[in-house]
Amino acid sequence: EVQLVESGGGLVKPGGSLRLSCAASGFSFSTFSMNWVRQAPGKGLEWVASIDSTSTYIYYTDSVKGRFTISKDNARNFLFLQMDSLRAEDAAIYYCTRDIYERRLIFLPDYWGQGTLVTVSS
Amino acid sequence: NFMLTQPHSVSESPGKTVTISCTRNSGSIATDYVQWYQQRPGSAPTLVIYEHNRRSSGVPDRFSASIDYSSNSASLTISRLMTEDEADYYCQSFNYTHLVFGGGTKLTVL
Repeated sequence: EVQLVESGGGLVKPGGSLRLSCAASGFSFSTFSMNWVRQAPGKGLEWVASIDSTSTYIYYTDSVKGRFTISKDNARNFLFLQMDSLRAEDAAIYYCTRDIYERRLIFLPDYWGQGTLVTVSS
Repeated sequence: NFMLTQPHSVSESPGKTVTISCTRNSGSIATDYVQWYQQRPGSAPTLVIYEHNRRSSGVPDRFSASIDYSSNSASLTISRLMTEDEADYYCQSFNYTHLVFGGGTKLTVL
């Protein structure tokens, strides 16, 4: 069974940093691309970042470029999102998602974790 | 990048059929696959339809989807509505470097 479990969310001040983790199990993590998607309270879904299976190709939405870094540890089956220079508008539930096909990044999430909440407030 | 536009809300009675639209503002709707996600209150989204019209594993055949070239839109149709179908539904597509979601449609089954 595919499982994605996020952690690392919490309360942080504007300008602060946070590192989100996603523990993956139940599938061959090293051969799948992964994505982070967020959802602000009461709002819709917003794509944040994607990484292919070997970390060769990495993409970000414009609003987080230069502030967020997605990374993948295939040896430990973990996906990360390092978030720096956090702003109030970054407050959201952050979901870790798997891309549907092995060895391809097509920006098609199939499995989602339950999310971790990030609150940015002074 | 393109945008996907969905109606804010739709409502229908149990047993009836409802259709949710998703209109792409630039580029052809058929160029890149469209997916549909269901999100019940307090839960993570789940994949319902992928690659325009393929049902995800375990999704009942009451759920179907299609593409309309003339209106450059995709549609999700849910037949024989059940109260458990009440949820937010999001369409999603992508281009070479970005993943795009529609704004979501709140389905009320009353």
